[in-house]
Order: sequence, then structure tokens, then C-alpha cells
Amino acid sequence: EAQVTQNPRYLITVTGKKLTVTCSQNMNHEYMSWYRQDPGLGLRQIYYSMNVEVTDKGDVPEGYKVSRKEKRNFPLILESPSPNQTSLYFCASKGTTNTGELFFGEGSRLTVL
Amino acid sequence: EDQVTQSPEALRLQEGESSSLNCSYTVSGLRGLFWYRQDPGKGPEFLFTLYSAGEEKEKERLKATLTKKESFLHITAPKPEDSATYLCAVRVSGGYQKVTFGTGTKLQVIP
Repeated sequence: EAQVTQNPRYLITVTGKKLTVTCSQNMNHEYMSWYRQDPGLGLRQIYYSMNVEVTDKGDVPEGYKVSRKEKRNFPLILESPSPNQTSLYFCASKGTTNTGELFFGEGSRLTVL
Repeated sequence: EDQVTQSPEALRLQEGESSSLNCSYTVSGLRGLFWYRQDPGKGPEFLFTLYSAGEEKEKERLKATLTKKESFLHITAPKPEDSATYLCAVRVSGGYQKVTFGTGTKLQVIP
């Protein structure tokens, strides 16, 4: 089954404790992206990657890092989480179809205390 | 700055009561307008892509249309299972990888 898998799905952590949210896709997509979703603000892009070793900033990259060492994986790293990073995070991937369809993971709900 | 505005924020319909959701956009060079459906606790699920004014796409009870300034998602004779948040997004020229989302319309269909 074609899917984007994120882990963990739920996480409560404390300010300053480094954490990584993993994302893996099994569709051989070159493009992957991270979004955060906050009430009243919609989905906002954090980082994206067009291919292995190629990453770029989205609209809200501050406080986040990413890496793309393998095509299927695109982890999101919070080096020193702060309460304003409490949010619902989505990873997405996209193939080369004409629709430009994004395939989303199930989401990771992060709470930073 | 590219902007996507969806209205209404929330909509409550009786089963069978047709209506439309609106997505207005202000962008420099539209390269695609997307509609997604999002169920609670889930990631968005793709519905349609529209590329040019006058284009229409249909899927079951849903029909999406596009003009130069806005898109409509028409829901004909909705059922309770159509209850979800509907998201609109745009991709602009020069920003192939940037997709800007609206804040969504939360639709509730009551039996």
C-alpha cells in the first residue's frame, strides 16, 4: 500500500530536549515536504526536499532542521524545542503526475512544555 | 504576497441540502489550484487539481470549478460521510515547490 509514515504520532516533551520526527514514504517520490498545522493559520510549509541531499526552506523554517540522506526518508529535527513549536506536523511526498497531488502522512502531534 | 482565503469557516448542512464552498486567491501566476479533504486526526487527502479558468472537475457529489479569482467546491445532495474539513491550496509560478494552503472550511452534514 502506498503510504507516508510518520513517527511518533504523539509526543509530549520539554523545552530544549532535542527530538526527531521521522517520515518515510514507499512510493519512490523525489519530492518530500514538512508542514505544520495550527488553528486559524492552516498548513504552513517548514522545509522541502526535491531529491536526496537537496533541501530548502519553506515559509516557517526557524527552529527546525531536516536532512535527506535517502530518497525514502525525510526526518524533521527540533534541536531545542520551544512551546511555540507545539503543533500538528505533517510530512508529505509528491510524485511526477500531472495532478501535483501531495500524499500526506497521518500527522504527528507535538506538545512542548 | 500570495493569499488564499476560504469561506465560510464552518458550514452546517442538512443531508441532501446542496451548497458551495469558496476559495478566493491572490497570487502572481497560478500554476494549479488544489482541493483536499481532511478528516479529524488524519492527513489531508487529495481531491482535485484545476489549472485554468473555466476548468471543472467532478467526483461523486463534489464538483470543483475555477475562475481567475476564485474556486468553488460544489457539494450536491451531501451525506453525513461528506463531513470533513475541505482545504484549498495554490501553487504559483516561480515557486514550483511552494504550495500555499487556506485555513479550510469545516463542513458538517446532519442526517
